[in-house]
Amino acid sequence: GNSVTQMEGPVTLSEEAFLTINCTYTATGYPSLFWYVQYPGEGLQLLLKATKADDKGSNKGFEATYRKETTSFHLEKGSVQVSDSAVYFCALSPGNQFYFGTGTSLTVIP
Amino acid sequence: DAGITQSPRHKVTETGTPVTLRCHQTENHRYMYWYRQDPGHGLRLIHYSYGVKDTDKGEVSDGYSVSRSKTEDFLLTLESATSSQTSVYFCAIKGERESTDTQYFGPGTRLTVL
Repeated sequence: GNSVTQMEGPVTLSEEAFLTINCTYTATGYPSLFWYVQYPGEGLQLLLKATKADDKGSNKGFEATYRKETTSFHLEKGSVQVSDSAVYFCALSPGNQFYFGTGTSLTVIP
Repeated sequence: DAGITQSPRHKVTETGTPVTLRCHQTENHRYMYWYRQDPGHGLRLIHYSYGVKDTDKGEVSDGYSVSRSKTEDFLLTLESATSSQTSVYFCAIKGERESTDTQYFGPGTRLTVL
């Protein structure tokens, strides 16, 4: 079947620290992989995506690489800001359905 | 912005009453989805639609029904609301053309069942 496992939070970092949020997946076929971000009181917004093995998605300083050999799609950012405080969701889609992780809450303190 | 609106944005109701949530999109997307979001569970799919009058169940469909009589509207109905259905409900569409593998979400409806 299809499923996503992401590291549990909450995660608290100081401003300018390095961020890694781990995500691994189980899938049939060759899914697309996503990271979504949710700010308080809002819906999910697409942060980045990768559609095939070894692709790197990037946006707003965040990066994630589609690793088929380790079935992983870890989210990284070199220097976090207070404005990055949010909940981050890893997701996959093999076609018309989407499967989400449980979300990781990130708080960045000045 | 995928032009998705949800109504109402907030609702408080009592156990046993029927509730209908509306999702409206302006760009003729074929696929529409209803999710619920609960702490510790992430997003769970309730129902989805792949065209007018074409719907299918997700992993948590019990107690919910949906209807899609027009491309732009996807309705979620709780026939008899229960406290376990207190949640935040999100509608989503699946992009098309160059974004066929991506979902876009509405702002959510916070439902409280007393």
